[in-house]
Amino acid sequence: KNEVEQSPQNLTAQEGEFITINCSYSVGISALHWLQQHPGGGIVSLFMLSSGKKKHGRLIATINIQEKHSSLHITASHPRDSAVYICAVRSNQFYFGTGTSLTVIP
Amino acid sequence: DADVTQTPRNRITKTGKRIMLECSQTKGHDRMYWYRQDPGLGLRLIYYSFDVKDINKGEISDGYSVSRQAQAKFSLSLESAIPNQTALYFCATSDDTSGSYNEQFFGPGTRLTVL
Repeated sequence: KNEVEQSPQNLTAQEGEFITINCSYSVGISALHWLQQHPGGGIVSLFMLSSGKKKHGRLIATINIQEKHSSLHITASHPRDSAVYICAVRSNQFYFGTGTSLTVIP
Repeated sequence: DADVTQTPRNRITKTGKRIMLECSQTKGHDRMYWYRQDPGLGLRLIYYSFDVKDINKGEISDGYSVSRQAQAKFSLSLESAIPNQTALYFCATSDDTSGSYNEQFFGPGTRLTVL
C-alpha cells in the first residue's frame, strides 16, 4: 500500500504538448510538494502547496484537498522538461510517490 | 557553491564493511533528513533530525545509524553494509520557522553499491 500514487508512471510527449501528471494521496496532509529529478539524480523543489493553485513559468500545480488530489501541468513542453517528477506529502511523516518519468521528444 | 553537499558522490564497497555518508549544509536549517531511493520505489525516510540534540528514526532505520555533529552536519552510517543497501542516498534540509512542512532542499545524492 502506497500512501501516494502517481499517474502515469511513464509519459512520452512531443515538444509543445500540454502535459498533466496526477497525484492522489490517502492521508491527511499539511502540504504537498512537487519535485523534479533530473537524469543525473539531483532533486529540486518545484512547488509546495496546501491549497489552490501555483504557477511558475510554464509549470502549474493545483491541489484539491477534499478530493486528495493534485496535478502538475506543463504547458508548451520542451525536451529540457524531461525528468522524473515526484509528488510528496507531509502527514505525520513524509510520503513520496514513485515518480512519473517524462520524456519530451523534439 | 551548493547549499547541500554530500560526500562521497559514489561509493563501491563490500559486504560487511562500515560506511559513512556525510552531509553538510550552508542554509542554516535546523532540520535534516536522510532518504534512500530504489528503482520503482519512492524516496523512503531513514532518519531525521530537527536539531542537534534531536534524532528520530524514519520508515527504514534498521541497519543504519546517524550522527548530528553540528547544525550543518548530519552523517549516515552503515555499520555492516549488505547488498540490499545498494541504493541512491539523499540528504535534505528544511527550515523550521513556521512549524509546518516546509520546502525541502536536497543534496546531489550518493550512489552506494554494496558487493
